[in-house]
Amino acid sequence: EPEVTQTPSHQVTQMGQEVILRCVPISNHLYFYWYRQILGQKVEFLVSFYNNEISEKSEIFDDQFSVERPDGSNFTLKIRSTKLEDSAMYFCASSGLERDQETQYFGPGTRLLVL
Amino acid sequence: GEDVEQSLFLSVREGDSSVINCTYTDSSSTYLYWYKQEPGAGLQLLTYIFSNMDMKQDQRLTVLLNKKDKHLSLRIADTQTGDSAIYFCAESIGDYKLSFGAGTTVTVRA
Repeated sequence: EPEVTQTPSHQVTQMGQEVILRCVPISNHLYFYWYRQILGQKVEFLVSFYNNEISEKSEIFDDQFSVERPDGSNFTLKIRSTKLEDSAMYFCASSGLERDQETQYFGPGTRLLVL
Repeated sequence: GEDVEQSLFLSVREGDSSVINCTYTDSSSTYLYWYKQEPGAGLQLLTYIFSNMDMKQDQRLTVLLNKKDKHLSLRIADTQTGDSAIYFCAESIGDYKLSFGAGTTVTVRA
């Protein structure tokens, strides 16, 4: 069964450093998403991406964040200058090209720790 | 507003049924979802229901939707130890995002 994959599974970085989280969505899906889950808190929507542009973003997704689909398979989330409060589990999801177009399938997540 | 509420904990004996409840606020939600998260793992889609349905059954899982009260429930029949996990209710908001509840931690005891 096709699945969303994410790398790395864990990342530790110093405050102020740039990180890039990578995702490979399900092949032929058209819509891509990033969510995050701070430890003990709800899963929060960050951004959605369709047709090579951002469809919607939350207030969390400020200028420090950016997304890109550099080729036909990868979808990346970049945090330019990490802060302590960026420590969280980051989930990628994709949807589309199915009978229930909206159903989002999630990857296993990248646990980011900012020191 | 977008607010999904769930009870935080549920303890159930192996073999019994589990019922996890959820309330949501956006009456225009097209789909409502249940995701499962095992320790250290990602979000696994369990099931979903289209907003014009009242009930959906999928093997041991039964989803009930009361659209008038904006209440969603997930019943797991014959609960097994492998069902121990956090269960998230989520509603679709607009075209592009999901709003999640805080998750219900289900503990299955022998």
